[in-house]
Amino acid sequence: SQTIHQWPATLVQPVGSPLSLECTVEGTSNPNLYWYRQAAGRGLQLLFYSVGIGQISSEVPQNLSASRPQDRQFILSSKKLLLSDSGFYLCAWTLTGAGSEQYFGPGTRLTVT
Amino acid sequence: AQTVTQSQPEMSVQEAETVTLSCTYDTSENNYYLFWYKQPPSRQMILVIRQEAYKQQNATENRFSVNFQKAAKSFSLKISDSQLGDTAMYFCAFMPSGTYKYIFGTGTRLKVLA
Repeated sequence: SQTIHQWPATLVQPVGSPLSLECTVEGTSNPNLYWYRQAAGRGLQLLFYSVGIGQISSEVPQNLSASRPQDRQFILSSKKLLLSDSGFYLCAWTLTGAGSEQYFGPGTRLTVT
Repeated sequence: AQTVTQSQPEMSVQEAETVTLSCTYDTSENNYYLFWYKQPPSRQMILVIRQEAYKQQNATENRFSVNFQKAAKSFSLKISDSQLGDTAMYFCAFMPSGTYKYIFGTGTRLKVLA
């Protein structure tokens, strides 16, 4: 069966510090991968998605970046965090078929102080 | 731009009653997919139900069913026989066919009362 892991579960970082959130998927190959940010009252904001190694699409211009160094690994990074980066970050994966269900990770609560 | 609107930020329902959550979307596409996701207090997001736009029959999954009105661009979720475990945030999502992007609404927080 497939599983998705995200870590860390919670993170408190000062403004200006770097960020690295990691997401890995087990039990499937060549998944589509996604990073979302969830803020109160704003639903899920798609940040990045990837349909293959090295293929990253950015949806929102900001100080975040994403990388996919391996087939089932997706990393969200920042060189310098802003207060506005605080939120709940969710990683998700889908099969490559059209209209596939998204499977979400447990999320990371990031607080920038 | 394609958007998804959930006009009810919060709702409550008595246990065993029926509740309907509304969702409308804006698109010029003819083929697409619609989803309802549930996020309980544990924050683990799970799929509730999925609908393909080219299928006229409304999707049903146990106590959960949808009312899909393509012309009106409406995709409401009906929960029958509400249970305490249905307490959660519910998100409506839209995916145009041929893309990899999912567009989510802002969510409806549902509370089931004992």
